[in-house]
Amino acid sequence: SQKIEQNSEALNIQEGKTATLTCNYTNYSPAYLQWYRQDPGRGPVFLLLIRENEKEKRKERLKVTFDTTLKQSLFHITASQPADSATYLCALVRGGYGNKLVFGAGTILRVKS
Amino acid sequence: GAVVSQHPSRVICKSGTSVKIECRSLDFQATTMFWYRQFPKKSLMLMATSNEGSKATYEQGVEKDKFLINHASLTLSTLTVTSAHPEDSSFYICSASLAGENEQYFGPGTRLTVT
Repeated sequence: SQKIEQNSEALNIQEGKTATLTCNYTNYSPAYLQWYRQDPGRGPVFLLLIRENEKEKRKERLKVTFDTTLKQSLFHITASQPADSATYLCALVRGGYGNKLVFGAGTILRVKS
Repeated sequence: GAVVSQHPSRVICKSGTSVKIECRSLDFQATTMFWYRQFPKKSLMLMATSNEGSKATYEQGVEKDKFLINHASLTLSTLTVTSAHPEDSSFYICSASLAGENEQYFGPGTRLTVT
């Protein structure tokens, strides 16, 4: 069956460091992968989309990589700030194409000042 | 741009009553809206896909007679939880996508508590 795995343990880092979150998937061949941020009691907010033919994508302090051989995406936040503390979700299009997303359980990031 | 609102943000209802949740795309026309449910510390679970002017497509295991979805216009979709029970208590979130785009824009969510 198709699975998306994100580290269930919270990631605690010091302000200014780079946070790296991992998303692994099995039994998928997604055309694209997305990352979202979710704050407690709020809906997710779209951050980045990376397509299968893209190795890396950047947006300000965010960087996403996509390795379709390893079936893994890495999400980096450079120069992290306490305001970056949130849960980060990766999402894949179900069945590999279309517009229905399947979400990972998310990883909690805590940035301490 | 791409703002989605939900109303109400919180609702408490008694067991056996029905509750309607509205999802609106404020600054764009959404041909497709999605309804999710999220339990504490769990991921979002897709409940149904709503297309304007047609019947919603429900995911396996979701009772369509219990969770009524109406997508009457390109900016409004509603989810009605009928004959609510305590096990229906959850965080319900809608999202919308623009035609031709893959990213989804989420509403702020509705916390439903059934007593």
